[in-house]
Amino acid sequence: AQKVTQAQTEISVVEKEDVTLDCVYETRDTTYYLFWYKQPPSGELVFLIRRNSFDEQNEISGRYSWNFQKSTSSFNFTITASQVVDSAVYFCALTQTSGSRLTFGEGTQLTVNP
Amino acid sequence: GAGVSQTPSNKVTEKGKYVELRCDPISGHTALYWYRQSLGQGPEFLIYFQGTGAADDSGLPNDRFFAVRPEGSVSTLKIQRTERGDSAVYLCASSLETRGTQYFGPGTRLLVL
Repeated sequence: AQKVTQAQTEISVVEKEDVTLDCVYETRDTTYYLFWYKQPPSGELVFLIRRNSFDEQNEISGRYSWNFQKSTSSFNFTITASQVVDSAVYFCALTQTSGSRLTFGEGTQLTVNP
Repeated sequence: GAGVSQTPSNKVTEKGKYVELRCDPISGHTALYWYRQSLGQGPEFLIYFQGTGAADDSGLPNDRFFAVRPEGSVSTLKIQRTERGDSAVYLCASSLETRGTQYFGPGTRLLVL
């Protein structure tokens, strides 16, 4: 069985603040993929990143960065200098290489206030 | 290119009725997935197709739910004898290959009265 936990249900910040969204996962597989998706108010899930369990290098893409720590089973997502357009629900997800289904966390509602 | 499309965007039906939800995947994507998302929760897996066959249907909640993908492209999720608890957003995703990145459609919001 696999599980993804996003302990932060809601986060509210002021524009230009940095914010980190936490994700902790459980899996028995040694090989797996981790994902982050963004769901804006329009409802469509937007893919942000995919990370292979063998690749623990942190990644940066513009204002977004991801910190993968296998030792603590965490895959945290940081937005630097947040903007109002970042307001959305963010989901962390996991899939095992032996299967294809995504297991999602409950999501974190991020609100960035002007 | 065109993304995943789903029709209808909204569907209101009465308890006990039959509904069909359609998904048109990204062209060339061989894998297609259905998920269900209830308010305030993350999407939950329903079924996955590789080509025309259902490779994993273990997420379907009961035998009122059925899905097909007869030509390996468009898929239809069918719900018989709808219940109020079936109300949710039904999401479709596709990927280029098995275990590839899944790209989602806008969803169909189903409301059972």
